[in-house]
Amino acid sequence: KAGVTQTPRYLIKTRGQQVTLSCSPISGHRSVSWYQQTPGQGLQFLFEYFSETQRNKGNFPGRFSGRQFSNSRSEMNVSTLELGDSALYLCASSGTEKNYGYTFGSGTRLTVV
Amino acid sequence: AQSVTQLDSQVPVFEEAPVELRCNYSSSVSVYLFWYVQYPNQGLQLLLKYLSGSTLVKGINGFEAEFNKSQTSFHLRKPSVHISDTAEYFCAVSATGTGRRALTFGSGTRLQVQP
Repeated sequence: KAGVTQTPRYLIKTRGQQVTLSCSPISGHRSVSWYQQTPGQGLQFLFEYFSETQRNKGNFPGRFSGRQFSNSRSEMNVSTLELGDSALYLCASSGTEKNYGYTFGSGTRLTVV
Repeated sequence: AQSVTQLDSQVPVFEEAPVELRCNYSSSVSVYLFWYVQYPNQGLQLLLKYLSGSTLVKGINGFEAEFNKSQTSFHLRKPSVHISDTAEYFCAVSATGTGRRALTFGSGTRLQVQP
């Protein structure tokens, strides 16, 4: 079956702009999480959505937001981009409790200039 | 809250030698444990996970890990590495309760397999 699909793979934006990243989970997975990966801070949890509801949120400013649609696809948005937002953004989806575990996409590499 | 410590930032090893990547965690609640691998310019691939049951967990590509609750460790091992195992490896934990499923990652261990 198809894996987790993230689009776009690469993105270059200017400071002050906003950006929207997309994630399509594995078919049947209802939980989608987002992570930020940077060389300095490592992998950090942004938020998790389950059945269109934000279930958990990490310690990021309000400029970072997300949503999930009825087909479980998710988007995350970053407004007023800062240079420090340059990172690899990873999306992960998870299935049932019995086989719990997150499958990650290839990520979106965001560069803010 | 949980925290994960990967004790080695880099581990150089020769091809066909055994390797152990160390992971210790801290948590006030029960946790699930995971090891992920990341190849350059790619996302994370799940190697193995411990949810419950046997403390020795076998994963893909010949890797295995042992959950030691008393030492709060989950070390990853492979008896004989290949050049293709060169990558970054991340240990992660998440709480077992519903709704608290964020993964907390360690800082990663770069495995460098030399011919």
